[in-house]
Amino acid sequence: EVQLVESGGGLVQPGGSLRLSCAASGFSFTNYSMNWVRQAPGKGLEWISYTTSWSKTIYYADSVKGRFIISRDNARNSLYLQMNSLRAEDTAMYYCARDMGSDLYLDMWGRGTLVNVSS
Amino acid sequence: EVVMTQSPASLSVSPGGRATLSCRAGQSVGTNLAWYQQKPGQAPRLLIYDASTRATGMPARFRGSGSGTEFTLTISSLHSEDSAVYYCQQYDHWLSFGQGTKLEIK
Repeated sequence: EVQLVESGGGLVQPGGSLRLSCAASGFSFTNYSMNWVRQAPGKGLEWISYTTSWSKTIYYADSVKGRFIISRDNARNSLYLQMNSLRAEDTAMYYCARDMGSDLYLDMWGRGTLVNVSS
Repeated sequence: EVVMTQSPASLSVSPGGRATLSCRAGQSVGTNLAWYQQKPGQAPRLLIYDASTRATGMPARFRGSGSGTEFTLTISSLHSEDSAVYYCQQYDHWLSFGQGTKLEIK
């Protein structure tokens, strides 16, 4: 089955760190660039980070630049998001999503992992 | 960032009816526009890409149209399971999402 499965979310205090993982299966992971998209409770979708298939190009939204680090391990078919200096406004469901390369629409999404930044 | 504005914010339509959702881009995005459906408690799902191409498995009653700055998602023969929030997303200038339209079928 073709799927993405996120993990690693949870409750963390402001200023803390968390590392999210996304396990890919059922497709050739190295053929795709990957993204993290988040959704605050009751809010819309916000793209936050992107990496090409071999991590040659990486982008971040301004809201997370300098605090979050995207990475991937193609041998493990996994995508990661290291989140540092977390703030209350980072509270959200975090989705990993596959894009179509030259066209950045997101054709596959995981079910998400919830991050709650609170004291 | 290209600002995407969706309207209306919400709408309610009867089963069997038709819903028309609009999405406006702050600048031309050509036909580099996608639509997603998000049901409560679920991840978004790709419906339409390239403004009018249905994603694999999406029924023909979901129709996307438009180009430039004005786009429309039309859903006909509405079913109760079409109740969801629908988002547009441009990918001409990196990527950005609209704020969503909540569709209720009742």
